[in-house]
Amino acid sequence: GESVGLHLPTLSVQEGDNSIINCAYSNSASDYFIWYKQESGKGPQFIIDIRSNMDKRQGQRVTVLLNKTVKHLSLQIAATQPGDSAVYFCAEPINDYKLSFGAGTTVTVRA
Amino acid sequence: DVKVTQSSRYLVKRTGEKVFLECVQDMDHENMFWYRQDPGLGLRLIYFSYDVKMKEKGDIPEGYSVSREKKERFSLILESASTNQTSMYLCASSTPALQGSGNTIYFGEGSWLTVV
Repeated sequence: GESVGLHLPTLSVQEGDNSIINCAYSNSASDYFIWYKQESGKGPQFIIDIRSNMDKRQGQRVTVLLNKTVKHLSLQIAATQPGDSAVYFCAEPINDYKLSFGAGTTVTVRA
Repeated sequence: DVKVTQSSRYLVKRTGEKVFLECVQDMDHENMFWYRQDPGLGLRLIYFSYDVKMKEKGDIPEGYSVSREKKERFSLILESASTNQTSMYLCASSTPALQGSGNTIYFGEGSWLTVV
């Protein structure tokens, strides 16, 4: 069945460095992907999304890349800051009312 | 900005109590959702609603019910709380038709429920 998964459960990054968080998906027909950030004790927060007709989309300090050939997307965070410490997970709609979520990558920023 | 507000952030209830979790969204979204989130299990859909007075079971509806009397408000009800319902509960909302439309789900801050 369709699923969205993340490659690594944890990522430790030095403050100021760039972070790359990866996600693999299995449904080649998927046409929309979302990245969420969840800080400790809080609800998931929408970060950025991308449609399948795009390869790249940029936001403020974040970039999402989509490689449909290998069914892989990534979230890049530029100049990682302490406030970026959180769990990041990707998601995709599997029908009109349901998202499939990846398990999440915990990003820890070292000072 | 989308605002999904959950009225209670932290609750402690006794086994067998009836529990109400309230959620309000201010974006006139048609869809509203209740999820629970547990370590190692991720986000699991309990119930969702696509219109006033309409409800549909998600993946884990057992032990829960919902109410949607107004478009902006969606309540989760635990008729008789049990310890295995200790969890973080997340309300969310969205415009219709997630698939193929680029519409996403926006979450509230979560309600931490402990059943003792």
